[in-house]
Amino acid sequence: QKEVEQDPGPLSVPEGAIVSLNCTYSNSAFQYFMWYRQYSRKGPELLMYTYSSGNKEDGRFTAQVDKSSKYISLFIRDSQPSDSATYLCAMISADNDYKLSFGAGTTVTVRA
Amino acid sequence: ETGVTQSPTHLIKTRGQQVTLRCSSQSGHNTVSWYQQALGQGPQFIFQYYREEENGRGNFPPRFSGLQFPNYSSELNVNALELDDSALYLCASSGGTGANLYGYTFGSGTRLTVV
Repeated sequence: QKEVEQDPGPLSVPEGAIVSLNCTYSNSAFQYFMWYRQYSRKGPELLMYTYSSGNKEDGRFTAQVDKSSKYISLFIRDSQPSDSATYLCAMISADNDYKLSFGAGTTVTVRA
Repeated sequence: ETGVTQSPTHLIKTRGQQVTLRCSSQSGHNTVSWYQQALGQGPQFIFQYYREEENGRGNFPPRFSGLQFPNYSSELNVNALELDDSALYLCASSGGTGANLYGYTFGSGTRLTVV
């Protein structure tokens, strides 16, 4: 079983829709949770960074963390064609704080 | 525009050969990590260097090795290339000793194809 599970999709939505992405994890030591966006032929770009359970909002993006269920989510409101990319969740544990553990990534296409 | 640059962008090598990939970290970032991203997968941690010393390693064999230099540049060396080494290799730099406080800045990667 992988430490971090993420449905690879692909996910296709019309412009303006809400995009919902999620990851589950098995390692209780994970304390820091991130979402990266990766455009084709580019490296991952940090979108959101959270530490505790709860919600964090940044513009059109909302990240949720539920440590009791080992479940994290990313919501993108009013999606735009420029949001079309692969979204990767990533986590860091307290005992290996130098290492990012990534999910497989979900490919999202926003149709104009 | 990212502050981390990698070279070359693409590379084709033959099985059994050796390869060196290069990275120039963002100025002031004294931590560099390397990741391997196979097609359709998330990046996998190879190792991390802090002030020219390796201070963390993932599940990769010893034929994957690295160097970090005082001028914020670094190298990933892979010996005895195998077909499964074909992947996008990502360099990431951070201003701290761990990813948790400062976050990583990734380069655009080197696409390695082993034939």
